[in-house]
Amino acid sequence: GAVVSQHPSRVICKSGTSVKIECRSLDFQATTMFWYRQFPKQSLMLMATSNEGSKATYEQGVEKDKFLINHASLTLSTLTVTSAHPEDSSFYICSATHGGPQETQYFGPGTRLLVL
Amino acid sequence: SQQGEEDPQALSIQEGENATMNCSYKTSINNLQWYRQNSGRGLVHLILIRSNEREKHSGRLRVTLDTSKKSSSLLITASRAADTASYFCATDALGAQKLVFGQGTRLTINP
Repeated sequence: GAVVSQHPSRVICKSGTSVKIECRSLDFQATTMFWYRQFPKQSLMLMATSNEGSKATYEQGVEKDKFLINHASLTLSTLTVTSAHPEDSSFYICSATHGGPQETQYFGPGTRLLVL
Repeated sequence: SQQGEEDPQALSIQEGENATMNCSYKTSINNLQWYRQNSGRGLVHLILIRSNEREKHSGRLRVTLDTSKKSSSLLITASRAADTASYFCATDALGAQKLVFGQGTRLTINP
């Protein structure tokens, strides 16, 4: 089956610093990647949709200047949390699809971010 | 906004029993998917059912879809302790180009 990896799996940083999270599709070309955020005991909230070679589409209420997304290749998308604050502490999960959005999304293992 | 509503929010049963979780949604969909998430981990895709399908099986899983009621159910038969996890439905609404997740059901299987 399709495998998606994320790096790092967990990160602790100081308030005000920036953190980059990588999402890779290991055995398929991902035309579309998605970034989600999940707070404890809550569901996944879509942050943005990322298509290779084009600008990401952000969901309402998600600051594009704070959450920078780059999808430079068909196997890699990055999410950078700029000037992180404690309220950005969350579980960030990416997913990828090699078909259209109507096809199965394959999820990465998630990155737990703790901002002190 | 979250489209899917799931119930129950939490379910605790004995090993060997069947577990049923329900999901309701609001708009017309292309398909509905069920995912499992173990605590602190990523999501594992369980099954996809398209809008023109009414029932689908995969091992011990049985999913139904009633588009007239805008609802779906996930049945896990002969539950095992390893089935303990959160289960989410996700809908791919027509024209939406994205999945919208329900709030999830936290399932606990007691040995």
